[in-house]
Amino acid sequence: DGGITQSPKYLFRKEGQNVTLSCEQNLNHDAMYWYRQDPGQGLRLIYYSQIVNDFQKGDIAEGYSVSREKKESFPLTVTSAQKNPTAFYLCASSIGTGVAYEQYFGPGTRLTVT
Amino acid sequence: GQQVMQIPQYQHVQEGEDFTTYCNSSTTLSNIQWYKQRPGGHPVFLIQLVKSGEVKKQKRLTFQFGEAKKNSSLHITATQTTDVGTYFCAGANFGNEKLTFGTGTRLTIIP
Repeated sequence: DGGITQSPKYLFRKEGQNVTLSCEQNLNHDAMYWYRQDPGQGLRLIYYSQIVNDFQKGDIAEGYSVSREKKESFPLTVTSAQKNPTAFYLCASSIGTGVAYEQYFGPGTRLTVT
Repeated sequence: GQQVMQIPQYQHVQEGEDFTTYCNSSTTLSNIQWYKQRPGGHPVFLIQLVKSGEVKKQKRLTFQFGEAKKNSSLHITATQTTDVGTYFCAGANFGNEKLTFGTGTRLTIIP
């Protein structure tokens, strides 16, 4: 089955710890995205990547970092500098770059930091 | 920056009633996409509109893109329990490589 996988589904961390969220796709898509979803605020773009070894900041990149060493993988690190990290994190991919392509979402990781 | 607003934020309807959500942008959009997120799930792409005044239908769902390409709507006729979820619009300015998602409209159905 082709698709996007995110692991784990639920993640709990103590304040002050960095945590890395996994995102893998086997759709052979060029572009990948990370969104954060908070209640009542829709989806906000954290980072996106249009090609391997390149990525751009989205609207709320502060406190986050990413890498794109392989086409199929786009891990997100939530650093201790992120003021309010508890949220639902969604990874997505699209076959091409730019906004004309539909985005396919993974099942998401719900991160709780206490 | 670009803002995409959706109204209403919540909508409760009796099963069989119609439902409409509206999406408004502060700037002219090159295209608009609609997604549905079931409770506990992830967004799933429904449709994309590109042309001014475009209307597309998917069974009981009708999508419209405004003449000025600043607004869009999704109308569901005779809602069913399977329509439950949050509906998001997502738009982009010309030359912008990022989609901006609306705040979403959460639809609940009263059986």
